[in-house]
Amino acid sequence: SQQGEEDPQALSIQEGENATMNCSYKTSINNLQWYRQNSGRGLVHLILIRSNEREKHSGRLRVTLDTSKKSSSLLITASRAADTASYFCATEGMTTDSWGKLQFGAGTQVVVTP
Amino acid sequence: EPEVTQTPSHQVTQMGQEVILRCVPISNHLYFYWYRQILGQKVEFLVSFYNNEISEKSEIFDDQFSVERPDGSNFTLKIRSTKLEDSAMYFCASSVAAKNIQYFGAGTRLSVL
Repeated sequence: SQQGEEDPQALSIQEGENATMNCSYKTSINNLQWYRQNSGRGLVHLILIRSNEREKHSGRLRVTLDTSKKSSSLLITASRAADTASYFCATEGMTTDSWGKLQFGAGTQVVVTP
Repeated sequence: EPEVTQTPSHQVTQMGQEVILRCVPISNHLYFYWYRQILGQKVEFLVSFYNNEISEKSEIFDDQFSVERPDGSNFTLKIRSTKLEDSAMYFCASSVAAKNIQYFGAGTRLSVL
């Protein structure tokens, strides 16, 4: 399985602090995507990073990818209460039979307190 | 901003009944997907669909499941005879191409009693 596995499982921080979560996977990937899910709601796409990329930014989000370690990190800077959600990484494999078949991790639950 | 829409938001059914979950993908997207998330568990891939046929399916997607694109806009997931263990949130997603961002709908919560 090439499922992503997030670490930590849960993270509690104060507003204004940075939140960092990690994702590890097992097999070679074409890309890795990060999603956010508010409780009981849909999945909101945050960032896609391809296997030939090392770092991407989007607003307060920074994603890194280390293919040699098969790991990725998501950093949320200057967190806000509205960032409270579960964050998932999802990998898409290299082989044609894995295209489109996102493999999700169990997620990191982030709670940001005012 | 274009979005994937799913109906209904919540579906309650009796065990053994057929259900159809509906999705309207983003209009210029060509690839369509169904995922499910059992409460408290990971999001799991069910099936991908391109050019009016299934591209890939998981072990979960057995003969009780089928997908269809009945017209130019809708994408449906049918469960022929629901089981208690089919209770989950079902997400539809679409992408403009393979290996691209998948945009998810808000989901349909299926409760099988």
